[in-house]
Amino acid sequence: DAKTTQPNSMESNEEEPVHLPCNHSTISGTDYIHWYRQLPSQGPEYVIHGLTSNVNNRMASLAIAEDRKSSTLILHRATLRDAAVYYCILRDRGGGSNYQLTFGKGTLLTVNP
Amino acid sequence: KAGVTQTPRYLIKTRGQQVTLSCSPISGHRSVSWYQQTPGQGLQFLFEYFSETQRNKGNFPGRFSGRQFSNSRSEMNVSTLELGDSALYLCASTRDSSYNEQFFGPGTRLTVL
Repeated sequence: DAKTTQPNSMESNEEEPVHLPCNHSTISGTDYIHWYRQLPSQGPEYVIHGLTSNVNNRMASLAIAEDRKSSTLILHRATLRDAAVYYCILRDRGGGSNYQLTFGKGTLLTVNP
Repeated sequence: KAGVTQTPRYLIKTRGQQVTLSCSPISGHRSVSWYQQTPGQGLQFLFEYFSETQRNKGNFPGRFSGRQFSNSRSEMNVSTLELGDSALYLCASTRDSSYNEQFFGPGTRLTVL
């Protein structure tokens, strides 16, 4: 899988929007962009994924650059429960039987009350 | 529906012993993956099973093995435990598509003394 680059940490205040960036300059045309997060003492949790167009779900929005070399996960109103490590992962949609997730270091998001 | 369950949640073993961890995927999910998480190496893929067959394997020694049963439940085994095997072992299940989300269990915390 192609590599992603994320900031080690970010800080936000409660009820403010948070924009978590991810660079993936070597992304291929068949790579989906996935985001997972891991809350303290829990397993990772799926957040959102997309291919080319921006995506929204109940948890977050995913904004994908036109050239697909970067993306941004947007939490519209951060809560204390959003404090977690956020992972940006590329997965080849044509990967056949490859269900492996390759996790990087992720971004540790701290939310201040 | 019930999420991914892992048993036991906590385990303490001594060097040289072996251990078996169990994972029950979400009903209807046929793929089960295992990951090891340590503070130093982060989340690393161990292996993935589908229909009782190992389809993908990460870069771990042969002491780490697994299997999957006809009901999709999976077990992983670590033989001749080493101190460095102390980690959180996570299991994830997914429906049969490489770009579908993976659902993680809470993990089994293994401590090797």
